[in-house]
Amino acid sequence: QITLKESGPTLVKPKQTLTLTCTCSGFSLSTSGVGVGWIRQPPGKAPEWLALIFWDDDKRYSPSLKSRLTITKDTSKNQVVLTMTNMDPVDTATYYCAHSNYYPWGQGILVTVSS
Amino acid sequence: DIQMTQSPSSVSASVGDTVTITCRASQGISNWLAWFQQKPGEAPNLLIYAAYTLQSGVPSRFSGSGSGTDFTLTISSLQPEDFATYYCQQANSFPPTFGQGTRLDIK
Repeated sequence: QITLKESGPTLVKPKQTLTLTCTCSGFSLSTSGVGVGWIRQPPGKAPEWLALIFWDDDKRYSPSLKSRLTITKDTSKNQVVLTMTNMDPVDTATYYCAHSNYYPWGQGILVTVSS
Repeated sequence: DIQMTQSPSSVSASVGDTVTITCRASQGISNWLAWFQQKPGEAPNLLIYAAYTLQSGVPSRFSGSGSGTDFTLTISSLQPEDFATYYCQQANSFPPTFGQGTRLDIK
């Protein structure tokens, strides 16, 4: 059974850097074709893809957020990490990680940006 | 980014009804289209991929069609558990982009 779970802070201050970890089980990040991505969803709005990383370390970023995002993976821990710099209140959202086949998604973590 | 436009933004229906939701892409995406269902407090759940292929475990009352720029999701014989928000998402190019969502309410 494939599962993903997000972890990290639920409250960050403006201008701080957010670091989120996605712990994956039921599949290996080193398997050919496998990818894991990050998606966020502000309250009451549609989801938005942020970044995606593949087994071969190929990385994709949303053009509008590329300058603020870094996605990496730790194959030994089967984890994917997303960092987002210069956080702002408009970045308040539920952040999800998901398999590159769009199924499944993690349960999500609500991150609030506030001083 | 490819823009996805869904209609209607909300719809009210009764148990047993059939509902159709449409999704239009700002450029051709072949059949690279997925549909998700989201219930309050939960992550979106994949229903259909490649425009019409049902994800494993999804009831056959859900069906998808279309290619190019115009797509539809049809839910026949609505069940109480189907009342939720539905999103289309293009998978043709990164970043995958979602429609604004269609909220399906009980009439």
